[in-house]
Amino acid sequence: RKEVEQDPGPFNVPEGATVAFNCTYSNSASQSFFWYRQDCRKEPKLLMSVYSSGNEDGRFTAQLNRASQYISLLIRDSKLSDSATYLCVVKTLGQNFVFGPGTRLSVLP
Amino acid sequence: DGGITQSPKYLFRKEGQNVTLSCEQNLNHDAMYWYRQDPGQGLRLIYYSQIVNDFQKGDIAEGYSVSREKKESFPLTVTSAQKNPTAFYLCASSIDLRRKNTEAFFGQGTRLTVV
Repeated sequence: RKEVEQDPGPFNVPEGATVAFNCTYSNSASQSFFWYRQDCRKEPKLLMSVYSSGNEDGRFTAQLNRASQYISLLIRDSKLSDSATYLCVVKTLGQNFVFGPGTRLSVLP
Repeated sequence: DGGITQSPKYLFRKEGQNVTLSCEQNLNHDAMYWYRQDPGQGLRLIYYSQIVNDFQKGDIAEGYSVSREKKESFPLTVTSAQKNPTAFYLCASSIDLRRKNTEAFFGQGTRLTVV
């Protein structure tokens, strides 16, 4: 089993739609969780960290379920500019960042 | 502006040649990393360094070498032993491997092509 797994995608949604991405991780000792966004042929950039109580940043909401080892990202009111690959990232203290394979999102006009 | 600078952006290598990819950061981060990304694939860790003069192999270190002589710099050499080096190479840094909730910052990447 891979350390971090994500919905295979791609997701093709119309503008204004709500879309949810799921991620599971295998290491129960993991302590830090992130969602990154990667545009085509560019470097990944931090979208948001994921905190135990869940957190929101504008149209983006991240949730963490430690018992199920599951992380989610919800995007409301999708924009064309949200089209990208979304990477789930997990880190254990003293160890490296582990990246999921990514889920590609295309928001269609 | 603080950040990570990778150079060159594009690099062409003949088979059998060694090439070195540059990565410099002015964020005063202790930890630095090299990842490889193939088309449609996730990031795979090549090498990482927690501190000057120390580095560790990642998941796919064969055919690569690194050095960490200065805190700011973590160059990656792709040697002729790397059989399939064509890929997108990403350098990253973070404050400290041992801290919680500190994210990784990435350079803009180097796209290496073997010709």
